[in-house]
Amino acid sequence: EVQLVESGGGLQQPGRSLRLSCAASGFILEDFAMHWVRQVPGQGLEWVSGISWNNDDLGYADSVKGRFTVSRDNAKNSLYLEMNSLRVVDTAIYYCVRGSGPHRPAHPDYWGQGTLVTVSS
Amino acid sequence: QSVLTQPPSVSGAPGQTVTISCTGTSSNIGAHFDVQWFQHLPGSAPKLIVSGDSDRPSGVPDRFSVSKSGTSVSLAIAGLQAEDEADYYCQSYDTTLSGFVFGAGTKVTVL
Repeated sequence: EVQLVESGGGLQQPGRSLRLSCAASGFILEDFAMHWVRQVPGQGLEWVSGISWNNDDLGYADSVKGRFTVSRDNAKNSLYLEMNSLRVVDTAIYYCVRGSGPHRPAHPDYWGQGTLVTVSS
Repeated sequence: QSVLTQPPSVSGAPGQTVTISCTGTSSNIGAHFDVQWFQHLPGSAPKLIVSGDSDRPSGVPDRFSVSKSGTSVSLAIAGLQAEDEADYYCQSYDTTLSGFVFGAGTKVTVL
């Protein structure tokens, strides 16, 4: 059974940093691209970042480019999102999402339950 | 503002058919990237219900189907049931943004 479990969310002040982690199980992580998608409570889904199976292709939404960094450790079955210079507008539930293939355009299939990030002073 | 355009809400009585449209542009749906549909209940993980040309994951009933015309794709839910009440999102890939794009979501209400 495919499982994606996010951790690392919480309350942080504007301008500070947070690191999200996603523990993957039930499949071979290195066979798939992975993504982060967020949702402001009560609003729609927004793609944040994606990474190909071998780290060669990284992508970011314009809203986080230069502030967020995605990475993965296939040996540890883990995906990460380093979030720097946090803003109030980054407040959202962050979902770890598996792509259906090794490259970034492969459509998403499995999602984690999400971790809430709250940015507030 | 979402890249893909969906109606904010649709409703129908049990047993009826409802349709949700998803309109994109030449850089996503018009560029022949597949459209996926996700069902989302508050507090839970979004669930893939249809990908591309009506590919349904195991366990998703064939009451869910899609049709396509140009840069628009529509999800039809036939034989509407109470358990279908949820938010539905369409998704595709955009070559200009080099990432996934989503619709704003459509709330399906079973009357």
